[in-house]
This record gives sequence, structure tokens and C-alpha cells, in this order.
Amino acid sequence: DAGVTQSPTHLIKTRGQQVTLRCSPKSGHDTVSWYQQALGQGPQFIFQYYEEEERQRGNFPDRFSGHQFPNYSSELNVNALLLGDSALYLCASSFPGAHGYTFGSGTRLTVV
Amino acid sequence: GQQVMQIPQYQHVQEGEDFTTYCNSSTTLSNIQWYKQRPGGHPVFLIQLVKSGEVKKQKRLTFQFGEAKKNSSLHITATQTTDVGTYFCAGDSSNTGKLIFGQGTTLQVKP
Repeated sequence: DAGVTQSPTHLIKTRGQQVTLRCSPKSGHDTVSWYQQALGQGPQFIFQYYEEEERQRGNFPDRFSGHQFPNYSSELNVNALLLGDSALYLCASSFPGAHGYTFGSGTRLTVV
Repeated sequence: GQQVMQIPQYQHVQEGEDFTTYCNSSTTLSNIQWYKQRPGGHPVFLIQLVKSGEVKKQKRLTFQFGEAKKNSSLHITATQTTDVGTYFCAGDSSNTGKLIFGQGTTLQVKP
């Protein structure tokens, strides 16, 4: 039973570029959330997708956008990258009524 | 906006000593969840507390949810080196799955 799968594991981008991160939820999960974790900090909620719609959003600018596909997988897109976007991006999946979220191993994004 | 504060930030203990981390939310929570993140790893779900005053145990770990549903604690009895990591509480104020994480407490255990 595969857990949450994220790709790529590491990525280096230049300021101003755009990036797409991908997530496949755990089998049986239909809800996907994205988090940004800066070094030494707790994860910060970016947004959550359910039934292919953004259901909740945290305090992140419109440069951060996402998508959920019919197979429940999800993408996180970040435009006009800033140095401050360097972080570990975590995907977490669940299903309605479940207790807790299953996190993927994350994508380490470095913006130079 | 909602904030979740966690103390202490760091804790160094001798193996066998007890450890406690405290979590406080600025708003009343629908539920609170606890996660453990090992160095270089990702958060792993430990438990969810829902009811006011709830206490749950997992072997050497005891989790409490405050009567006002605004604070929580995690207590580890007789720490082991395998307990090393950062412990995060995460509050959900509206039961929508939008988790607000604390800054975490990093536990180091000296053998």
C-alpha cells in the first residue's frame, strides 16, 4: 500500500522562474493538502483540495496555485519564484472523517 | 489570524528522564493533532484529540486536551534514544482540515 508520493525530491530554480510540484495521495485518500516548511519551522498550510476544488487556503499569495485531478493526485505551482520560497514542500492526504494526515517525504525547493 | 504556540523550542534530556511539550492556541479548537518529525524526515501522525479534557495514551506517550480546547500537552515517560525528533502540535479550529502547526519542540536524548 503506497503512501504519499511526491516528485521531484529536490529542485533548484532561479528567481523569477516557475515550478510545478506533484503529489500522489495514499491509496483510498481523496483529500490533498499542501504545506510549506521553512528550515527550523513548523509546516504552514498553503491550501487543500477535495473533489478537484480548492476547499481551504492559507495566507499565501496568488503566485501559489494548485490543481487536483480526477485520480486525486495534485500539483502545486509557484510562479515568479522568490528567494524566500526556498523550503520543503509537503503534501498530505486524508479522507473525510479520518483522524490525521499522511505526509509525503516532501520536495526540497532551493531558489537561487 | 489563528496562532499556535509551542514550548519549549528545544529540550535535551538524559535517557530515562521524562519530557513534556506544551501547546497553546489563540482560538478554540475543534481538534488537535500531534505529529513527530525525525531529522531529515517528514511529519508522522501520532494522535488526534477531539473532546474537552480528553486524555489518550500510547505506550510511554500521554496526550491531553485542555478543558477549554485551547491547549494541549504531550508527555513522554522514560525517554529513549528512539524518541529523538521534533514534536509538532497542529490545531484545526473549524474541523475543515486546515491545520495550523506550532513551531515544534525538538527533543534530544543523551544515551
